[in-house]
This record gives sequence, C-alpha cells and structure tokens, in this order.
Amino acid sequence: AQSVTQLDSHVSVSEGTPVLLRCNYSSSYSPSLFWYVQHPNKGLQLLLKYTSAATLVKGINGFEAEFKKSETSFHLTKPSAHMSDAAEYFCVVSEEAGGSYIPTFGRGTSLIVHP
Amino acid sequence: GAVVSQHPSRVICKSGTSVKIECRSLDFQATTMFWYRQFPKKSLMLMATSNEGSKATYEQGVEKDKFLINHASLTLSTLTVTSAHPEDSSFYICSARVSGTGRGTLHFGNGTRLTVT
Repeated sequence: AQSVTQLDSHVSVSEGTPVLLRCNYSSSYSPSLFWYVQHPNKGLQLLLKYTSAATLVKGINGFEAEFKKSETSFHLTKPSAHMSDAAEYFCVVSEEAGGSYIPTFGRGTSLIVHP
Repeated sequence: GAVVSQHPSRVICKSGTSVKIECRSLDFQATTMFWYRQFPKKSLMLMATSNEGSKATYEQGVEKDKFLINHASLTLSTLTVTSAHPEDSSFYICSARVSGTGRGTLHFGNGTRLTVT
C-alpha cells in the first residue's frame, strides 16, 4: 500500500526568498514520485518527476526536488519565489500494481507569496 | 507533447438535466483515463478509471448510474452527469497516462467547473 503526506497545508513566503514544500511517502515497492502545480480553476501541470534515475530532479520554473529513500521524503524547493508561483501544489506517489501505475495524491499545499 | 484537452471549461445547467464533459488526448494514445472531482480547497478525489473499450471502474461511493463514463476510443473519454442536482456542482478534472511509458506520469486537462442551479 502507498500513501503520501504533505506536511503543510499552507506555506507563506516573501518574493525572492526560498521555497520548501514538504512531502513524505510510504510505498511497498520502488515508487515513482511527482509534483504537480494547480493554479485557480485550472488542471494540474507536471512540475517534475522521479522515476528511479537521478535522485535530484530538476523541473520547470526553477523547481527541484530530492528523493531521499532513507527519509522517505521528496521535498520540493526553489531558491527564489516569484509572485507567479502562488498556487496549490500536489505531491503524488505512484507504484506499479498488476502492470498499472496507481496514483495517490497528497492533500495539497497552498503556496502564498507576499510582495 | 502529451496534451489533454477537456471541454467545456465551464458549464451551468438546470437541476434535472444532464451534462457531458469530454476529455481528449491530442497527441498520444491513452488506454487509461482517470476522472477526478475536486471540492474547494481540497485535493482530488478519484471517481473512476476509464479503460478504452471496457467498462469503467468506479471508486467506492461513486454512483455509476449517475456518473456515466464512456471510453470509446484511445483518444476520447466522456463523463456524463445525469439528472444533475446542485450537490453535483464541483470542479471535474480528467487525466490520461501515456500508454506504456512514463512510469505513471499523468497529464491533466484544465478541468470543468460545473454549476447546477
């Protein structure tokens, strides 16, 4: 069985400061891990993904995440927040079951960026 | 690549009528599509998994007779909300997985805001 926990429902930062959105997971097998971003009234856009290659994954818009198996974490970071980064962020874990990959979503973290 | 188009983006309907939402994979074939419902300030709730050419698999608590899903081709899945009621008002999102690749990467449509009056 798999699960994912996003530790913060809201994160508030000032523009230009670093962003850290935390995600912990549990999985019986080697999981795939994803971060998606959702702007208001929009679908979800893939930011980055980990699928058993390099543990430090770089994504779009300057975001990156590091897969740490020992800590079962996949935290999302960005060195400098922009106002346009304000959105909802979802961490997703997906493990193979019978040839299919079944996704499990975190509850989401709302990123608030202050000018 | 891997674009998913969802239509309409917004729909308002009267109570008792039916609404159809379309989800198309534009540049890839999707043997599996997923339909989600999202309540305000909440995460996505999986409603059903749609497989091309077969019946959809519904999650527990989702009424299959109310939320009709059809996946007639490798690029199109539809969700029909039948006899809609105000409590069906929500944001519905579809997603598709590129067949055989991507280890589970999902590509999402832009969602449909349904308002039932």
